[in-house]
Amino acid sequence: GQQLNQSPQSMFIQEGEDVSMNCTSSSIFNTWLWYKQDPGEGPVLLIALYKAGELTSNGRLTAQFGITRKDSFLNISASIPSDVGIYFCAGSRTGSTLGRLYFGRGTQLTVWP
Amino acid sequence: GAVVSQHPSWVICKSGTSVKIECRSLDFQATTMFWYRQFPKQSLMLMATSNEGSKATYEQGVEKDKFLINHASLTLSTLTVTSAHPEDSSFYICSANAVGTEAFFGQGTRLTVV
Repeated sequence: GQQLNQSPQSMFIQEGEDVSMNCTSSSIFNTWLWYKQDPGEGPVLLIALYKAGELTSNGRLTAQFGITRKDSFLNISASIPSDVGIYFCAGSRTGSTLGRLYFGRGTQLTVWP
Repeated sequence: GAVVSQHPSWVICKSGTSVKIECRSLDFQATTMFWYRQFPKQSLMLMATSNEGSKATYEQGVEKDKFLINHASLTLSTLTVTSAHPEDSSFYICSANAVGTEAFFGQGTRLTVV
């Protein structure tokens, strides 16, 4: 089935550094989502994007919905140890977070103190 | 915020036995629930979409007779892994949708078949 291309696969950074990850698709999505998953837990929604070109922030997190509707990126500024986890992008063909979601492979983030 | 609870959080079973995993929406009515499977360091792969009161829709390659899904009420969906084998060992996650809200994920169930 449809899978999103997410990169990088993993990142090892020092506390305080900024982080950037992105997701691309060969087809259009009407909603882009970014989730964080801690070990042994389910994903938790960080940011939802509903319009092409939309730039949305949630604290130190900023995400953008690409103009072509085929890509999105997530930035984390001034990383802290609790940012450690796996970040997933997800796309939906509906105009909301409802309905079937297609997930990227995830970006494993490690933050060194 | 809305809460989706899965039970059990982890289970170990013998090969050949069946295991039931529950997914409950605790404070909202979920007309649709999704079941995902996640292998270590892999993404979430959708197994099936479960609508209350109707048969589940399975993704290509997912055996409906092996992964039985029941969505008998607006707050409960169950996934039963029948005749489990070691290759069924995985992390199973459900998500639930309510009308007009985002999708919420359960905390997942770690299944180990020995």
